[in-house]
Parts: sequence; structure tokens; C-alpha cells
Amino acid sequence: SYVLTQPPSVSVAPGQTAILTCGGDNIGSKSVHWYQQKPGQAPLLVIYYDSNRPSGIPERFSGSNSGNTATLTISRVEAGDEADYYCQVWVASGGHSWVFGGGTVLSVL
Amino acid sequence: VQLVESGGGLAQPGGSLRLSCAASGFPFINYEMNWVRQAPGKGLEWVSYIIGSGSTETIIYYADSVKGRFTISRDNAKNSLYLQMNSLRAEDTALYYCVRDSRDYGGQDLWGQGTLVTVSS
Repeated sequence: SYVLTQPPSVSVAPGQTAILTCGGDNIGSKSVHWYQQKPGQAPLLVIYYDSNRPSGIPERFSGSNSGNTATLTISRVEAGDEADYYCQVWVASGGHSWVFGGGTVLSVL
Repeated sequence: VQLVESGGGLAQPGGSLRLSCAASGFPFINYEMNWVRQAPGKGLEWVSYIIGSGSTETIIYYADSVKGRFTISRDNAKNSLYLQMNSLRAEDTALYYCVRDSRDYGGQDLWGQGTLVTVSS
């Protein structure tokens, strides 16, 4: 089965840039989506198809995907960005499934 | 535009529960739908997927962890999604989200608030 690997935690000071990674075998050949989940809330789509922002998501959120690593970058981090972030891909080989990474806790110091 | 889950609760190991999800505010029939769960303090785990109405056959997928025990279905006339959960195990304890695959974007753009399933004796 396909595995997505995320670091358990990332810490960043307000105003700085947070870089969250998502590793997977040749993930650059897949489309990666990113979700933000705040405590007690359902996940929210923040990046789709590697680098696109849904309506209402600040431009501070951006994404990229190449080789074995996809990246979510949050510029000018704010206290309100503190949340869990999950990457996701659709796997269509050897069965069909949505696969989530284990999630990264973003702490704003 | 919303999804509202119901049917969660306490079940004994080996028991059954049926979850429901009521969709409103969008053409439910046109969308692929999923169940995604989250065990307490843990990450997201996809459970099952069902295609919308665009195919002549019903396409359904399950995670290996629930295959043979859970059954996803939908009633487009009632704008509802279901998950029949049989042979429940302690490890099925989780918050179960009803989730819509996006047609405007990629990924999943509409999530319910979840219904909690607890499997314990």
C-alpha cells in the first residue's frame, strides 16, 4: 500500500515561514491535496492539485510537488495557522483509495 | 451547503451500527462521496468511497481495514449517504466524517462535523 510520511511536528515563530513536507514514493507523479484541521473542527481543504488554493484560502498558503516530496509552505505565519495539517493523494494502482499522511502539528511559538 | 452525520453511539465488539449522512444545498446525485474516520487523538483514515450517478454501475471502494465488514450505500432520492458497520472492533472507535469529493477543485471540499462511534464492552 502507498504510504505518505509527514513529520509529526513543526514549530515556527509568528511572521516566519513554515515548511511542511509530505514524502511518498514518486509522489511527484501524483496530485497532492492538503488539509488544515483545527481542534474540534473538521478538516479544511487548503491546497489542491499540488499548488492551487480554493476560494477563501489566503495567498500565504502555497504548495509544490516534485520527486519524492510534496511541500506545503505557509508564509508570514499567524497564530491562527496553528493546526494539524494532512497531505492526501488518490491511489489507483493495486486498488483504489484515498491515502492520508499521518499529519503534522504546526505550532506557532 | 452542508453534510450532517448521525447514527453514532456505543456498540459492543462484534456488534453493528448504521451511520447516516444527510446532504443539503447541493446536487447530491452528482457527487462522489466518502466516509473518513479519525480515532481519538489520531490522524485521518479514509474508509470508503461511492461514485455519484455518472456511471451505469455503482463503483465502491473500501479500505482494507474495513473490507468485508462495512458497506457504503447512498439514496440519491433522499440526498443521503450510509455506512453499515458490522463485526465492529475496538479499533473502529473513531469520529466518522461524511465527506464530498470536490468537483470544483481536487480533493475533498465538504466535510460534515462527524458522528462518534465507540466500540467497547
